[in-house]
Amino acid sequence: KAGVTQTPRYLIKTRGQQVTLSCSPISGHRSVSWYQQTPGQGLQFLFEYFSETQRNKGNFPGRFSGRQFSNSRSEMNVSTLELGDSALYLCASSTGQVYTDTQYFGPGTRLTVL
Amino acid sequence: GNSVTQMEGPVTLSEEAFLTINCTYTATGYPSLFWYVQYPGEGLQLLLKATKADDKGSNKGFEATYRKETTSFHLEKGSVQVSDSAVYFCALSGGAGGTSYGKLTFGQGTILTVHP
Repeated sequence: KAGVTQTPRYLIKTRGQQVTLSCSPISGHRSVSWYQQTPGQGLQFLFEYFSETQRNKGNFPGRFSGRQFSNSRSEMNVSTLELGDSALYLCASSTGQVYTDTQYFGPGTRLTVL
Repeated sequence: GNSVTQMEGPVTLSEEAFLTINCTYTATGYPSLFWYVQYPGEGLQLLLKATKADDKGSNKGFEATYRKETTSFHLEKGSVQVSDSAVYFCALSGGAGGTSYGKLTFGQGTILTVHP
């Protein structure tokens, strides 16, 4: 079974631009979660989508948004990029049936904001 | 809310040494506990998990036991290899009911370096 895939793997943007990241979950998984990883803040939860609905959300500004499609693929968008948005963005998928499900992670998208 | 605390790192060991990475947590209810490993330039890989008190998770020689009385989930390995060099994250899910869907709470990570 194929794992979680994320595209692109690397991105370089400038301040003020916007960016869209994509995540394809493991086949059969309906939940996709997004995390931001930085050296200073560690791994922080952004949001989770299940069956095209946002079910949970972390403490990030409204510039961070996401959506999920009917095939469970998910996208994350960051508008008006700031230097502090430079990070590794990880998505993870799970069945989403119980809140203690195991999450399986993709390789991440490395975003650099100049 | 939920929180996870890992021992301060980094940890440097010689090959075949015994490894312990401490992890304690704060959560209400009955969370599930996980150890993930991250190799340079990669995402997180699930190493092992435990879903209820006294469960022992194990994989690739690594073990951790879910201790509810001490709210701990320490990672151990009897004999480390150079290939075990990576960053290790302790994490929990659940423990706060409906607000926890899809959310893992992570410790700060412990960098392990194993020398030949």
